[in-house]
Amino acid sequence: EAEVAQSPRYKITEKSQAVAFWCDPISGHATLYWYRQILGQGPELLVQFQDESVVDDSQLPKDRFSAERLKGVDSTLKIQPAELGDSAMYLCASLDLTGEETQYFGPGTRLLVL
Amino acid sequence: AQSVSQHNHHVILSEAASLELGCNYSYGGTVNLFWYVQYPGQHLQLLLKYFSGDPLVKGIKGFEAEFIKSKFSFNLRKPSVQWSDTAEYFCAVNGGTGRRALTFGSGTRLQVQP
Repeated sequence: EAEVAQSPRYKITEKSQAVAFWCDPISGHATLYWYRQILGQGPELLVQFQDESVVDDSQLPKDRFSAERLKGVDSTLKIQPAELGDSAMYLCASLDLTGEETQYFGPGTRLLVL
Repeated sequence: AQSVSQHNHHVILSEAASLELGCNYSYGGTVNLFWYVQYPGQHLQLLLKYFSGDPLVKGIKGFEAEFIKSKFSFNLRKPSVQWSDTAEYFCAVNGGTGRRALTFGSGTRLQVQP
């Protein structure tokens, strides 16, 4: 069964450093999402892509976060500089358009900022 | 703005007990409703979904949920839980075509004691 791939699975960094997360959606899924899940809360959208275009980045802290999906396939989410409050799980999901539209999630990258 | 409320933050049950997890949403249009489960150390997985039609939907592993439009609710049920159902359960909603990002509740941690 095809899955959404994410790397790294865990990342520890110091505040003010730069970090980057990578996501490879299920093949053929044109819509890709990045969510952030703070401990004890549900995931919240950071950015949504349709192919290589950003559809919704209204909740992305653009002063420090950036996301790209240059060829409309895999995607990178970057934080520079990282802050203590960025410690969270970063989840990537892609959308299956066959039948009822359903999002499938990757395993996430757990970020700890010290 | 849409929102999702899960009133039970932590539920402890004995095996074979019946389960009902509450989910209420706030959204001003056509909604699509989802329950996702996150087993310890695993990624979010879809349990079931409602787009239209029969308001009683059945999902994997014996779970079901009922959409009650008048109450803005989508409660998750299972007649007899097992130890392997120990996990965190998230209710989520989006609207329109289903391509929009999901809005999640804060989750319910279910602990099933053998």
